[in-house]
Amino acid sequence: NAGVTQTPKFRVLKTGQSMTLLCAQDMNHEYMYWYRQDPGMGLRLIHYSVGEGTTAKGEVPDGYNVSRLKKQNFLLGLESAAPSQTSVYFCASSYGQFYYEQYFGPGTRLTVT
Amino acid sequence: EDQVTQSPEALRLQEGESSSLNCSYTVSGLRGLFWYRQDPGKGPEFLFTLYSAGEEKEKERLKATLTKKESFLHITAPKPEDSATYLCAVQASRSSYKLIFGSGTRLLVRP
Repeated sequence: NAGVTQTPKFRVLKTGQSMTLLCAQDMNHEYMYWYRQDPGMGLRLIHYSVGEGTTAKGEVPDGYNVSRLKKQNFLLGLESAAPSQTSVYFCASSYGQFYYEQYFGPGTRLTVT
Repeated sequence: EDQVTQSPEALRLQEGESSSLNCSYTVSGLRGLFWYRQDPGKGPEFLFTLYSAGEEKEKERLKATLTKKESFLHITAPKPEDSATYLCAVQASRSSYKLIFGSGTRLLVRP
């Protein structure tokens, strides 16, 4: 089992460029999440999905879009990158919504110049 | 407002020197408290879930405990490989899906 994988691992964008981060999980989990991690801020939830074809906003959704076309994949898009989106992005998945632990991917370090 | 505070921010220990990390929380009904370990450049790795006050869980040199207001992660006779950032997160009844994370404690264990 690979668990949760993310691509790419690193990326540098210029302001205004777009990109898509890919998350894949092989644990047959229904729930998937995208977080960003910034120094001193902890992990903050951007968007999440409770199943294939569904998405919902988290704590800091502005400037991001997501899609869950297949159960095992969860995509995070930045349509017009801004320097404030420089961060480390983590994808996570869980078996259930309540009481269940979330399993995290290795992260994508994104720099927007 | 639901909140999680971890202390200390950083902790330096000598190998074999036991200590505890603290996670204080203010939530409107606790569904679960989660401990994670995060190594530099990697994603958080799940350690424990605690659901109710009085509960304890152990894994090797780590033991997590829970009260109604805080959780402790006790590290007994730590080794250099225990060096990492330890994150605490809570899931509250009011916020359903959401995990509220603390900022973490950076632990350095010197040989």
